[in-house]
Amino acid sequence: AQSVTQLGSHVSVSEGALVLLRCNYSSSVPPYLFWYVQYPNQGLQLLLKYTTGATLVKGINGFEAEFKKSETSFHLTKPSAHMSDAAEYFCAVTRSQGNLIFGKGTKLSVKP
Amino acid sequence: NAGVTQTPKFRILKIGQSMTLQCAQDMNHNYMYWYRQDPGMGLKLIYYSVGAGITDKGEVPNGYNVSRSTTEDFPLRLELAAPSQTSVYFCASTGSPRTEAFFGQGTRLTVV
Repeated sequence: AQSVTQLGSHVSVSEGALVLLRCNYSSSVPPYLFWYVQYPNQGLQLLLKYTTGATLVKGINGFEAEFKKSETSFHLTKPSAHMSDAAEYFCAVTRSQGNLIFGKGTKLSVKP
Repeated sequence: NAGVTQTPKFRILKIGQSMTLQCAQDMNHNYMYWYRQDPGMGLKLIYYSVGAGITDKGEVPNGYNVSRSTTEDFPLRLELAAPSQTSVYFCASTGSPRTEAFFGQGTRLTVV
């Protein structure tokens, strides 16, 4: 069965600091991996995805993530945090059948 | 483009009542999903569909039913509402598991 583990339900960084949000997945076959962001009282929107090919993927708003098969990880990073990055971030995994499974989410706070 | 439209946005139900949460998408997507989101628990998959006439259970299907008679619509039925069904419900759709899932704005349901 597929599963996603996000380490840290709440991460706090200072403005301008590195953002690192951790995601590990469990899947018996090569997965498709996603990061979504949710702003308060809104639905989710896609930040970036990995399906095949290059393992370092770039997304919107300066975020990127690296697929590491040996570590079953797909951590999300951003070199310099902005106040507008404060939101909840979700890692998700799916396979060809299409049942999209999410982690529990990580709330990112950005301090001025 | 409307994208994914959920109705209603808010609803209060009494214990034992029934209701249908509506979800419609205008992107001709085959894959549609229903999730519930509870604080600190992330999004849990209730049901999903890979095309008209095909539905399958997710992680937390008990107390819910779905149907998919058309590509556009994927209603979620709650029978005999219980306080444990108080949650925010999200509908999503995608053209394939490799691509971005689009989310509705959510339905906030309270069962009292």
